[in-house]
Order: sequence, then C-alpha cells, then structure tokens
Amino acid sequence: QVQLVQSGAEVKKPGASVKVSCKASGYSFTGYYMHWLRQAPGQGLEWMGIINPSGGGTNYAQEVQGRVTMTRDTSTSTVYMELSSLRSEDTAVYYCARGNYYSSGYLDAFDVWGRGTMVTVSS
Amino acid sequence: QSVLTQPPSVSGAPGQRVTISCTGSSSNIGAGYDVHWYQQLPGTAPKLLIYGNNNRPSGVPDRLSGSKSGTSASLAITGLQAEDEADYYCQSYDSNLSGQVFGGGTKLTVL
Repeated sequence: QVQLVQSGAEVKKPGASVKVSCKASGYSFTGYYMHWLRQAPGQGLEWMGIINPSGGGTNYAQEVQGRVTMTRDTSTSTVYMELSSLRSEDTAVYYCARGNYYSSGYLDAFDVWGRGTMVTVSS
Repeated sequence: QSVLTQPPSVSGAPGQRVTISCTGSSSNIGAGYDVHWYQQLPGTAPKLLIYGNNNRPSGVPDRLSGSKSGTSASLAITGLQAEDEADYYCQSYDSNLSGQVFGGGTKLTVL
C-alpha cells in the first residue's frame, strides 16, 4: 500500500540542526512531488516547502528560507528535510506529504501523509 | 495569523448539516486557485477530504461537499455523525507568498 514512513522523534538544543527522513513506498517515487509541513503544539498547519523527487528541484516557504534544505535519494525512495539554526519556535510535528492532482506541484493537494516526526527544541 | 480565515469552532447535533467557511483574498482564493480541505483527528496526521474545491478522493463519503465563490470557500457536512468531531483545515495557493497557505483550523463539535 502507499505509505510514507518518517524517522523518529528528535530533541535538539537551540542553534543545532535536525534532519528528518521520509521513506516512500507503494508508488512511483519520482512521479509525485513531496511536500514538508509542520504543526506547532496546539496550532495549525504550516507549509515549509516542496521537492521534486525526479530532478531534485526545490522551493521553500519564505518563513524558513535560508534555514531549510530538502533533498532526496532516489535509490532508497527517501526524502529528507534539514532545518538549521533551530529555535524554540521550531518545536513542532513535522510531516511529509505527497502532492497530487495537479501537474504543477505548487497547486497540489496532499493525499498521503507520514505519521509525523516530533522535533523538540529546548536548552 | 493565518492567511486564510476560518471560524475557530462550529457545532451541530447528530444528523444536522454544518458548514465551515474559509475566506481568503485576491492573491489566493480570489485569484482562482483551488481550495482543498482536510480533517485532523487528535494525535493523527491530516486526511484529505476535498480537493479542487469540490472533488472527493476515493473513500470520502458524499455527505461531505465543497464549494467556492469569489474569495471564499465552504465545506459542508450533512448527516452529522459523532466521528465527524475533529479539526478541519482549508488550503490554497498564494501568489504573493509563492506557496501553499492554510486556514487556522475549525474545531467541529458534535453535540
């Protein structure tokens, strides 16, 4: 079945970096854009950016531009999201989600989600 | 402050109809970009309910429907059931921000 399996919870100190993985299975990895989103405790959803698993092209939200890097490994059907210079406001559940229904990934709806990775930033 | 505006909460009795609104602006919904809707149960990832304003993915019951007009969109749920109690989010694309944007979420309570 189609699924996205994310890496486990992380606890980081302010100023550090975190790298979250998302392994896709059950579909053509290079056929769909992948998005990263996050949700702070008790808050709403925030889109972080998009990666094209086929060519590796990325686009990041203004909020995290300069601190986020999204990469992919086609040999393992895995995408990665690395966030640097962490601060307490980055404490959140981070989700990868498959984009679908549009030829341009920028208009995607997210039809398959990972279960989320809790990242806690605390001194 | 979310780019799209949703009511913080709505409620209804079992069997009733409720609607959740999502108001945007000329750079997102009003610019013609599609609206998508998600349901999120506590402690779980969001689930896609409606894509492209009014299309249901396979497995989503037809008592859920979406609509869009001008700078706003709505999600309607008829025949309200206890399992509908959840948070609901709308999503669209914003040309000023060059990215996806969400509403702040609406908590649906089934009385």
